[in-house]
Amino acid sequence: AQTVTQSQPEMSVQEAETVTLSCTYDTSESDYYLFWYKQPPSRQMILVIRQEAYKQQNATENRFSVNFQKAAKSFSLKISDSQLGDAAMYFCAYRRTTDSWGKLQFGAGTQVVVTP
Amino acid sequence: DTGVSQNPRHKITKRGQNVTFRCDPISEHNRLYWYRQTLGQGPEFLTYFQNEAQLEKSRLLSDRFSAERPKGSFSTLEIQRTEQGDSAMYLCASSLEYGTGELFFGEGSRLTVL
Repeated sequence: AQTVTQSQPEMSVQEAETVTLSCTYDTSESDYYLFWYKQPPSRQMILVIRQEAYKQQNATENRFSVNFQKAAKSFSLKISDSQLGDAAMYFCAYRRTTDSWGKLQFGAGTQVVVTP
Repeated sequence: DTGVSQNPRHKITKRGQNVTFRCDPISEHNRLYWYRQTLGQGPEFLTYFQNEAQLEKSRLLSDRFSAERPKGSFSTLEIQRTEQGDSAMYLCASSLEYGTGELFFGEGSRLTVL
């Protein structure tokens, strides 16, 4: 069964504008980690942002921020002031606290297209 | 370049042939992971090593797949008797055992089975 769901196959945004990517997940755990990874074309995947479920405060990394709604099992990513370099596939990922650090469950991804 | 390195980047093979992929992790990382990514999907966990010990294998890793990390440094992933369904991007990642747990990925090895 799919644990992580990204319902938007593609999102388009103009430079300098804001885009929000959706992610929902299914778990019975109370403690876990959530991540957003970015995969540019033909380049390696890199971590954008992470969130520990026990922390109520939403994580922020420069222009990237999340809206973590634990009760709703929702974890959206907001990209502010979009730049051409933000164009990539974005994956939401989940990890149980009891799993190895690197054993992640990924969603199917959302392609972000940035237009000038 | 001190990132994760994977070779070959692309491999085209005929069904039934064996293929081997190599991953060189970041030197100080003692954990190494293999993932498989098929078209239109996110990566799926296959297996991971801590140093030379293979600590977990996914049910996706059939008997035709074998992974090794003999000296706790580089790792190889071998697929025997390839099938068309094996066509995918094979991603390697490494991390420290402790800390933030951030994964550092390689660029992947793309396998096409004809």
